[in-house]
Amino acid sequence: DAVMTQSPLSLAVTLGQPASISCRSSQSLGHSDGNTYLNWFQQRPGQSPRRLIYKVSNRDSGVPDRFSGSGSGTDFTLKISRVEAEDVGVYFCMQGTRWPYTFGQGTKLEIK
Amino acid sequence: EVQLVESGGGVVQPGGSLKLSCAASGFTFGDYAMHWVRQTPAKGLEWVSLITWDGGVTYYADSVRGRFTVSRDNSKNSLYLQLNSLRIEDTALYYCARDYSGSYTNWGQGTLVTVSS
Repeated sequence: DAVMTQSPLSLAVTLGQPASISCRSSQSLGHSDGNTYLNWFQQRPGQSPRRLIYKVSNRDSGVPDRFSGSGSGTDFTLKISRVEAEDVGVYFCMQGTRWPYTFGQGTKLEIK
Repeated sequence: EVQLVESGGGVVQPGGSLKLSCAASGFTFGDYAMHWVRQTPAKGLEWVSLITWDGGVTYYADSVRGRFTVSRDNSKNSLYLQLNSLRIEDTALYYCARDYSGSYTNWGQGTLVTVSS
């Protein structure tokens, strides 16, 4: 299975400052169809996960443009350009290239 | 609006059984593969099972194979997970999720399964 490793596991950020979360895969996530199925999810306290980013860098509808995804191969990053209070929660990466789908451990974002 | 609503969780003794349901609405249920994913504070998110759009193919995580059975009824827009021979380590919040193109586009709110003596 592709092991997904996130860092850091917790992050305290001042409002208005940027945040960055890394996700590394034990195997390349480039698919034979040319796509890379790396997703980012946000889970606010008491809520179910919500997808933010799919195929590395595509934002879902309604996701603020302060969220961006990048990367290729085995190394990926989620960036928040200016953290807002509503961004508090846990962020997960998930790969859908290799079977079975696997998740990172999650990164807890708090406000400093 | 896409909605997935899980039900059927509860408290059960080790070795017991439960059947989870997921009611789907807001999309053509029969067009999508569906998954069950579980979450615990200790282990995070863990994929449990997949069923293809027509129910023709199913997959299971090694940890549940032979004990859990996924099924669906497209006429009722419903997904199911039969949990047998439950173990303490099956305690988790169980989500159903809609699959599309290597991703989960939507998740339910989850149903809690607690296995305890």
